[in-house]
Amino acid sequence: AQSVTQPDIHITVSEGASLELRCNYSYGATPYLFWYVQSPGQGLQLLLKYFSGDTLVQGIKGFEAEFKRSQSSFNLRKPSVHWSDAAEYFCAVGASTDKLIFGTGTRLQVFP
Amino acid sequence: GAVVSQHPSWVICKSGTSVKIECRSLDFQATTMFWYRQFPKQSLMLMATSNEGSKATYEQGVEKDKFLINHASLTLSTLTVTSAHPEDSSFYICSAPRANSPLHFGNGTRLTVT
Repeated sequence: AQSVTQPDIHITVSEGASLELRCNYSYGATPYLFWYVQSPGQGLQLLLKYFSGDTLVQGIKGFEAEFKRSQSSFNLRKPSVHWSDAAEYFCAVGASTDKLIFGTGTRLQVFP
Repeated sequence: GAVVSQHPSWVICKSGTSVKIECRSLDFQATTMFWYRQFPKQSLMLMATSNEGSKATYEQGVEKDKFLINHASLTLSTLTVTSAHPEDSSFYICSAPRANSPLHFGNGTRLTVT
C-alpha cells in the first residue's frame, strides 16, 4: 500500500538551531516527492520537490531535503531555524505532480 | 502571487443548509482539480478529483450526494456541501495541477456548521 509516514508529530527547537524533519514512504516505484508548509488557517506552500537527478534538493526559505532510495526517506533540513518557520510541515508523494498522498504532518514550534 | 483562488475563506452555516465553495485557477486552465479535507491537526485527505466536462471521481468513503462537485469551466470547480451537519465542519482545500509545475493549492475554506 502507498503511504507516507512522518514519525514526529510535534518538534520544538530553539531559534538558530538546526532542524531535521523525517519522512518515510512506501511506494511501488520511485515517486515524486514533495515538502509543503502550512501556516494556521492557510493553504499549502511548496518548499521543494524531487523528481529525479541530484538527490539533494534545495528549496525556498533555506530548506533542503535529501532523497535516500535505500531508506525510502526524504528528510527535510534547515541549518538555522527562524521563528517564522513555525508551522505545519507535510511530506507528500505521488506518481506525478498531481494526485498526492500526504503524511500526517509535523508541527514545528520555535522558541526564541 | 496566488495561482489558485478559493472562496470563501471561512463560512458558518446552520445545520441542514448547503454551502458552496469555489476554486479557481487564476491564470491557467485546469481540466482537473482536487478537493481535500483536513481535520484539525491532521493531514489532508483527498476527497475527490474534479474533472471538467465529466463527473467527479470520488475517493472511497466519500459521500457523492453530500459533497457535490461541479467543474463548470476550465478555471472553476465548486464543492457543495449539502445538508450540512456539525460533523462536516472542517478545513477544505482545493488544488489544481499546472503544466510542468507541482500542484498549486488554494488557501482553504474553514467550514463551521452550527
